[in-house]
Amino acid sequence: DAMVIQNPRYQVTQFGKPVTLSCSQTLNHNVMYWYQQKSSQAPKLLFHYYDKDFNNEADTPDNFQSRRPNTSFCFLDIRSPGLGDAAMYLCATSGSPGTTNEKLFFGSGTQLSVL
Amino acid sequence: AQKITQTQPGMFVQEKEAVTLDCTYDTSDQSYGLFWYKQPSSGEMIFLIYQGSYDEQNATEGRYSLNFQKARKSANLVISASQLGDSAMYFCAMREPYSGNTPLVFGKGTRLSVIA
Repeated sequence: DAMVIQNPRYQVTQFGKPVTLSCSQTLNHNVMYWYQQKSSQAPKLLFHYYDKDFNNEADTPDNFQSRRPNTSFCFLDIRSPGLGDAAMYLCATSGSPGTTNEKLFFGSGTQLSVL
Repeated sequence: AQKITQTQPGMFVQEKEAVTLDCTYDTSDQSYGLFWYKQPSSGEMIFLIYQGSYDEQNATEGRYSLNFQKARKSANLVISASQLGDSAMYFCAMREPYSGNTPLVFGKGTRLSVIA
């Protein structure tokens, strides 16, 4: 049974048209992450939530926003997608940080194309 | 500076043979965790194995083992008896919770191709 679910699997948007990617989890984890992964590159952390506390990476563009209305759901909003934002977006969850051994559980990802 | 270095962009291995994927890391923390993930072409990241910095034994999970050499700051993944289904990208990652670096930081990955 899928524990971290990302919808949609593939998303096509137009240059400059806002798009929202969604992630839900059944693990009741209090930490949720969004990673961006471009072709043949390592996943790059955009931001994460520890419960409702939002943690933005310093180099995440302002174009990327996130919402977490409750424990189970987290959204990634791209306000004005550019061609360079085409990538795989991975959502992940984990239990409380502060320990070394909390592994991340990943969803299947959303492949975003920008036309 | 790179926290995680994977020097092998691509590797080939014959089916049923063992293969070692290299990973070195950089940290000044005493307490940290090292992870390996597999990413098939479908895109999902699959957890394989974990090694804590204080663990004295090398981690093993089925056909996966981690060759942890703390003094060298290396955490190589060994896959024994390779199978065609092992063909994928493999990422080494690290967590340093006491530096506040609680999310995982990933290396650039190694693409493994298993040949029949």
